[in-house]
Amino acid sequence: EAQVTQNPRYLITVTGKKLTVTCSQNMNHEYMSWYRQDPGLGLRQIYYSMNVEVTDKGDVPEGYKVSRKEKRNFPLILESPSPNQTSLYFCASSSRPRGLGKEANYGYTFGSGTRLTVV
Amino acid sequence: EDQVTQSPEALRLQEGESSSLNCSYTVSGLRGLFWYRQDPGKGPEFLFTLYSAGEEKEKERLKATLTKKESFLHITAPKPEDSATYLCAVQADGNTGKLIFGQGTTLQVKP
Repeated sequence: EAQVTQNPRYLITVTGKKLTVTCSQNMNHEYMSWYRQDPGLGLRQIYYSMNVEVTDKGDVPEGYKVSRKEKRNFPLILESPSPNQTSLYFCASSSRPRGLGKEANYGYTFGSGTRLTVV
Repeated sequence: EDQVTQSPEALRLQEGESSSLNCSYTVSGLRGLFWYRQDPGKGPEFLFTLYSAGEEKEKERLKATLTKKESFLHITAPKPEDSATYLCAVQADGNTGKLIFGQGTTLQVKP
């Protein structure tokens, strides 16, 4: 089954304790992204990657790191988590657009989410 | 600045009562506009991608349309199982990895 898998689904941690949320996709997608979702703020992009070893900042990258050493994996790293990083996190992946307009033929698949609480 | 605004914020319908959700966008060249459905506590589920003004796509009771400034998600004769939050997102030309989401419209369909 084509899917994006995130782990863990739920995580409670303490301020300052480094953590990693894993994301893996089995669709051979070039593009991968991380988002956080907060009430009243919607989905905001943290980081994205267009291919192996190519990453770029989204709208809210502060306090996060990512790496893309393999095409299928895109872990999200919080080196020193703080309470304001308590949120629902989603990973997503997509194939590269194949052209312009309808020829592009692409769309993003999201994981089931990781609910992180930092106390 | 690229921006996406969805309206209304919340919508309550009776079963069978058709309506439309709006997504207005400002982007420097549109690569694609996406519609998603999200159930509480779950990841967004892909519905449609629209690429150019005039394009339309349908799936069961849902139909998405696109103009140069906005997109509509038309829901025909909705059922209670259509209750969810519907999200719109845009990807600009050149920013091939960046996706900007609207706040979403929460739809409740009562039997």
